[in-house]
Amino acid sequence: GAVVSQHPSWVICKSGTSVKIECRSLDFQATTMFWYRQFPKQSLMLMATSNEGSKATYEQGVEKDKFLINHASLTLSTLTVTSAHPEDSSFYICSAPKGGGRVESSYNEQFFGPGTRLTVL
Amino acid sequence: KQEVTQIPAALSVPEGENLVLNCSFTDSAIYNLQWFRQDPGKGLTSLLLIQSSQREQTSGRLNASLDKSSGRSTLYIAASQPGDSATYLCAPTGNQFYFGTGTSLTVIP
Repeated sequence: GAVVSQHPSWVICKSGTSVKIECRSLDFQATTMFWYRQFPKQSLMLMATSNEGSKATYEQGVEKDKFLINHASLTLSTLTVTSAHPEDSSFYICSAPKGGGRVESSYNEQFFGPGTRLTVL
Repeated sequence: KQEVTQIPAALSVPEGENLVLNCSFTDSAIYNLQWFRQDPGKGLTSLLLIQSSQREQTSGRLNASLDKSSGRSTLYIAASQPGDSATYLCAPTGNQFYFGTGTSLTVIP
């Protein structure tokens, strides 16, 4: 299967600081990547869709000015949590589809990064 | 917006049993459906992908079926093992990618 990496795997920061999380597709290109957040004992919640060369699409209720997404290249998307607060502490996971070349292809298989554990003190 | 429900939410079985996990979704306009497992504090591992034109997929002891018209998928695990203990998530993929609530499986040795 394909490989998606995330960096860092965990981060602890003070309230009010900004944290950048990287998501890379290591052996394939992805024009689209997805960012999720997962709170303890809950399922993953889609936050936003990262689009290479255009603006990200945010889910309802997700503040785009707080969660900045930049799809810098076909293999890299970054999520920056700005002015982080304790309630932003969560497990952040990215995914990238590989397969059919188009987002709507039935051959697309999603590959997930290992996640980033963010703790805001 | 796609709504995905997985039943049961939690399941505990003795080793060796066969089991079925259920997934239902509200929007049948999907391209494919994936099943994942997630171990505590870890990312997701893809188990099976069923294309929208397919009825089922098999990988080892796992078999997943898809009935797109009725918005249902099942994951069958044969001869369960303690290493199968994890949370299992289904994800029907349409224009976006939504997860089910997950089934937490515990296989007791």
